[in-house]
Amino acid sequence: GENVEQHPSTLSVQEGDSAVIKCTYSDSASNYFPWYKQELGKRPQLIIDIRSNVGEKKDQRIAVTLNKTAKHFSLHITETQPEDSAVYFCAASILDDMRFGAGTRLTVKP
Amino acid sequence: GAGVSQSPRYKVAKRGQDVALRCDPISGHVSLFWYQQALGQGPEFLTYFQNEAQLDKSGLPSDRFFAERPEGSVSTLKIQRTQQEDSAVYLCASSPPGQGGFFGPGTRLTVL
Repeated sequence: GENVEQHPSTLSVQEGDSAVIKCTYSDSASNYFPWYKQELGKRPQLIIDIRSNVGEKKDQRIAVTLNKTAKHFSLHITETQPEDSAVYFCAASILDDMRFGAGTRLTVKP
Repeated sequence: GAGVSQSPRYKVAKRGQDVALRCDPISGHVSLFWYQQALGQGPEFLTYFQNEAQLDKSGLPSDRFFAERPEGSVSTLKIQRTQQEDSAVYLCASSPPGQGGFFGPGTRLTVL
């Protein structure tokens, strides 16, 4: 099955700085790449996604990029705020079979 | 509208007991997933249904784990003869075809 690797495992940034989280996937057939945010003790929440026919997608302060050739995709958060602190998971999906990365714990220091 | 619900929210079992965890997906969602999430880890895939068909059960860690979705809606994850290493949060997610999953609140299983 699909194997998703995510880096870094922890990331600490100063408020207002940007944060970048990177993921790689193994199966070139993967065609859907969502990102989830999980706050402590809560369920993962979908924050943004990208499909394999698109290279970049933005939604306010967050953006995702996809490089199909290299089989990697990234989450970019600009102008970080303390409430962005959470664990972020990337995922890759073949049809509807979705696998997750191990997560990145983002801490935004005020 | 209602999201994905799971019950019970918390379950404490003695080692060796059988447990059954229930997931009520969002109405009309074709896909349903079960994940196991250990403390501080990402969701680990267990199994995946499309309607009532279990298309992938490669993540089930042993034959003590069994999942079903007989009518293509509610799903049950059953763990027989629970072990301490089964302690985790069990997350269910459902989705329309080709879209990201909506997660339930999870069932926190503690095996003593």
